[in-house]
Amino acid sequence: NAGVTQTPKFQVLKTGQSMTLQCAQDMNHEYMSWYRQDPGMGLRLIHYSVGAGITDQGEVPNGYNVSRSTTEDFPLRLLSAAPSQTSVYFCASKPGLARDEQYFGPGTRLTVT
Amino acid sequence: QQQVKQSPQSLIVQKGGIPIINCAYENTAFDYFPWYQQFPGKGPALLIAIRPDVSEKKEGRFTISFNKSAKQFSLHIMDSQPGDSATYFCAPSGGGTSYGKLTFGQGTILTVHP
Repeated sequence: NAGVTQTPKFQVLKTGQSMTLQCAQDMNHEYMSWYRQDPGMGLRLIHYSVGAGITDQGEVPNGYNVSRSTTEDFPLRLLSAAPSQTSVYFCASKPGLARDEQYFGPGTRLTVT
Repeated sequence: QQQVKQSPQSLIVQKGGIPIINCAYENTAFDYFPWYQQFPGKGPALLIAIRPDVSEKKEGRFTISFNKSAKQFSLHIMDSQPGDSATYFCAPSGGGTSYGKLTFGQGTILTVHP
């Protein structure tokens, strides 16, 4: 099992550019989510999904879109990057709605200039 | 909203010391109280977790103490080692249709000197 994988590991964007952060898991987990981590603020939930075809907003969803067409993949799209989106992004998954341990990917460090 | 407050922000101990990290929460619907450990350049990983039906749980050198009436829980690391140097996050969750969404504290940077 590769667990939760994320690509790319690092990315630099110019303001206004768009891109997609990729996340995949091979554990057949129902629940997947995206967090951003900023210094001194812990991790904040951006979007989450409780199964294929179902997504919902977290604490800080503005400027980000998600979709979940398969159980394995949960991409995060930045439509028009802003410097405020400079952060480290983590994808996580967990087996179901009843089990609470979440498994995190290695992260993507994004810089917007 | 500041639902979860973690303290201290940073902590330095000598090898063998017992660092204690505290987490205070507001949401009484939380029913799962984990601590995550994060090393530089890595994603967080579950270290230990407790449910509200017990007041203490021990796994190896790591212990969670839970005080439901005070809405607080703590992480104790016995006989700390340099390899325990990391950032620690409390991340309670639970209640209704929360689907186990985690609410992270701000993090505590622990340094254990040899």
